[in-house]
Amino acid sequence: SQQGEEDPQALSIQEGENATMNCSYKTSINNLQWYRQNSGRGLVHLILIRSNEREKHSGRLRVTLDTSKKSSSLLITASRAADTASYFCATDVRDSNYQLIWGAGTKLIIKP
Amino acid sequence: GAVVSQHPSRVICKSGTSVKIECRSLDFQATTMFWYRQFPKKSLMLMATSNEGSKATYEQGVEKDKFLINHASLTLSTLTVTSAHPEDSSFYICSAVVAGVGETQYFGPGTRLLVL
Repeated sequence: SQQGEEDPQALSIQEGENATMNCSYKTSINNLQWYRQNSGRGLVHLILIRSNEREKHSGRLRVTLDTSKKSSSLLITASRAADTASYFCATDVRDSNYQLIWGAGTKLIIKP
Repeated sequence: GAVVSQHPSRVICKSGTSVKIECRSLDFQATTMFWYRQFPKKSLMLMATSNEGSKATYEQGVEKDKFLINHASLTLSTLTVTSAHPEDSSFYICSAVVAGVGETQYFGPGTRLLVL
């Protein structure tokens, strides 16, 4: 089942610009994760942020989490053509066996 | 580390035949694996949770007799699409969770199934 809503559904920017994607969710969470999927491929884990964290960095990625608004954002700075992919947020399910609930995804296109 | 392989990457079969897809964790033990289905330009749809040594847990609306899941070892889970029909054509992806660590799912590269 899907609980996350991501916006925008699609984003096209010029190389070098920053890209921001948002994710909202409905239930209480322990953590929220962001994954990336290149076309026709599996997903790659990018970053995990716990419910008691507000911001996390990994290279050119910055993730924020606002549990009061039940929302998260993923910022990719200084975008590159190779960042072109779909990005999904996922939240954990309480009392489940590591199951995740997935957002609808944002299709990011970086124009060279 | 945490590499998951999936085989085959692409399969074309005739309607009525069965297709087996393998998901292997190459460098870690996975007590739990997940099977997803993904339609074009859509998000992941969880089909079932596969636990080593026990029966898989299927999501609502997923026919367990049609999509047979076996998780016989800590590194291998298989999904068999039985009596495949054209509507079963899809992209199937598996993921695995590191035993005792959890949280992050490591994904296989996916299997593209086309049923003629």
